[in-house]
Amino acid sequence: ETGVTQSPTHLIKTRGQQVTLRCSSQSGHNTVSWYQQALGQGPQFIFQYYREEENGRGNFPPRFSGLQFPNYSSELNVNALELDDSALYLCASRIFGQNYGYTFGSGTRLTVV
Amino acid sequence: GENVEQHPSTLSVQEGDSAVIKCTYSDSASNYFPWYKQELGKRPQLIIDIRSNVGEKKDQRIAVTLNKTAKHFSLHITETQPEDSAVYFCAARISGSARQLTFGSGTQLTVLP
Repeated sequence: ETGVTQSPTHLIKTRGQQVTLRCSSQSGHNTVSWYQQALGQGPQFIFQYYREEENGRGNFPPRFSGLQFPNYSSELNVNALELDDSALYLCASRIFGQNYGYTFGSGTRLTVV
Repeated sequence: GENVEQHPSTLSVQEGDSAVIKCTYSDSASNYFPWYKQELGKRPQLIIDIRSNVGEKKDQRIAVTLNKTAKHFSLHITETQPEDSAVYFCAARISGSARQLTFGSGTQLTVLP
């Protein structure tokens, strides 16, 4: 079973609220990426963290932000939630520099009402 | 940025038949092409991948081919079984610091018994 765990598994929020999603990376993995997967679509890259700093970002507004901690766990924060933010949020961890080995967590299903 | 197109969006085959899913990518700098299988409500799982210096890779009933000149790659599943039913995503990664994956829109494969 994967070593990448995400919490919570499901979440319902109201438009305008803020949300924090959490990810615990697989042991030894120092790089974490976050993806948004809307219903019926492929995952879209939000951003990536390495050594507690963001080192890549997709086409998402600044209200999507993140943190990575020394133990390689990470958070995705979304402010001013919009209805279109409803999606499955996936984190994926790997070892920096490796050309393979993206391990995905099971995701957090966020519903904005 | 990279753009990945995936076809078909749905595919039904009889058990025992072969299934082929095709993807095209836009950025010639892409050098890594994984395929993921995602069952309903579960995380994407890597099933096979290929690097740009290889034209074909096989793992039991699953194979992937890559045509760098045409910028397309394909997933081949032989002797399909009902448990192969799932959504399959192709992805491409451009060489660079973030090394994020750009995903296709997915193919719903149904294997009919």
